[in-house]
Amino acid sequence: AQSVAQPEDQVNVAEGNPLTVKCTYSVSGNPYLFWYVQYPNRGLQFLLKYITGDNLVKGSYGFEAEFNKSQTSFHLKKPSALVSDSALYFCAVRVADSSNTGKLIFGQGTTLQVKP
Amino acid sequence: DGGITQSPKYLFRKEGQNVTLSCEQNLNHDAMYWYRQDPGQGLRLIYYSQIVNDFQKGDIAEGYSVSREKKESFPLTVTSAQKNPTAFYLCASSIELTGVRFFGPGTRLTVL
Repeated sequence: AQSVAQPEDQVNVAEGNPLTVKCTYSVSGNPYLFWYVQYPNRGLQFLLKYITGDNLVKGSYGFEAEFNKSQTSFHLKKPSALVSDSALYFCAVRVADSSNTGKLIFGQGTTLQVKP
Repeated sequence: DGGITQSPKYLFRKEGQNVTLSCEQNLNHDAMYWYRQDPGQGLRLIYYSQIVNDFQKGDIAEGYSVSREKKESFPLTVTSAQKNPTAFYLCASSIELTGVRFFGPGTRLTVL
């Protein structure tokens, strides 16, 4: 079955420290991977995506993600965390199906807490 | 949230009532979606629509209905058949089915 997992419910980091939010996936064929961020009582905002090409993808707000095919991972990273980065982060993978529906499977989300 | 509006922001419903959640987009996107968000469960797809007058069931369509009479609008009706409707509902759109989703601000539905 195609799936995506975020193994940590919450990640705590101090402001100025690097952060990593983990994501692993299981999908048929080549993966299409996404990260979204959600602030309280708001919709999701797109951060970045991996379709093909360089394994290190750069996105909005200084975030980047590293695609690792051998480990089937797509971890979200930022060199220096800000308090304003505190939010709920979702990893998503596009399902490969014969109808090309573009359906996304979302992870359960990881709460990032950045403390001053 | 730019370009997609959802109303109302909060909605309270008595058991046995149908309610309709509004979703409007001005992004000229062909594809639209409804997701349900519950704590700790991520997002689950309710319905999606690729073009006007066409829509498909997602993973949890039971107890919900939609229409797509206009490109800009994709309302979701939560019927009395939905056994546990209390949740946060998110509408999204994309240029086409394989495109990046743009999300609205959400509607929080509470059944009293």
